[in-house]
Amino acid sequence: QLVESGGGFVQPGRSLRLSCVGSGFAFDDYAMHWVRQAPGKGLEWVSGISWNGDIIGYADSVKGRFTISRDNARNTLFLQMNSLTPEDTAFYYCAKDVVGPGPFYFDFWGQGTLVTVSS
Amino acid sequence: EIVMTQSPATLSVSPGERVTLSCRASETIRNSLAWYQQKPGQAPRLLIYGASARATGIPARFSGSGSGTEFTLSIRSLQSEDFAVYYCQRYNNWPSFGQGTRLEI
Repeated sequence: QLVESGGGFVQPGRSLRLSCVGSGFAFDDYAMHWVRQAPGKGLEWVSGISWNGDIIGYADSVKGRFTISRDNARNTLFLQMNSLTPEDTAFYYCAKDVVGPGPFYFDFWGQGTLVTVSS
Repeated sequence: EIVMTQSPATLSVSPGERVTLSCRASETIRNSLAWYQQKPGQAPRLLIYGASARATGIPARFSGSGSGTEFTLSIRSLQSEDFAVYYCQRYNNWPSFGQGTRLEI
């Protein structure tokens, strides 16, 4: 199971931190990712992190503003989102990779948390 | 960056029919392609990986093919629960998705 939290309503320029807790699998064996979906739109990969945090990647749209991290002791994935804009409004899903280093494909997804950026 | 293009954007079909969805990569990705199904209000579900391997629990009416830059997802004998949006995703590097194909009745 993957359970996201931390979404909400925030003004442009502010920050938000998302969390995703994994259970039922060996969290520290797998890369993890954040994927977002603006309301009524398609899927956009946001960021990914390898099992041990050594390999990290970001979409160009969030590079320099978002930071992904993980705490394997707490089976938790994070996404620190700074300098938010209305274009960041979306459902944010965490997704489990099928391998440790990543990135491959995603065999399990959380139900998502909604981030709304508006003044 | 390699761009994934899906076609058509929307496909109107009837239950029992067979459909083929297309996904094209702007450069070769060998067989590093996955397909997902997403129903309204739900998270995506993995259908196909490695361009042609069905994920666990996926019915045999779903099949994937292709390699390089051209890929297809076929669904034979459409069931009512198959009407959804389908996305392809490349994973030869940091991933990206196609824009999706909506299957509607």
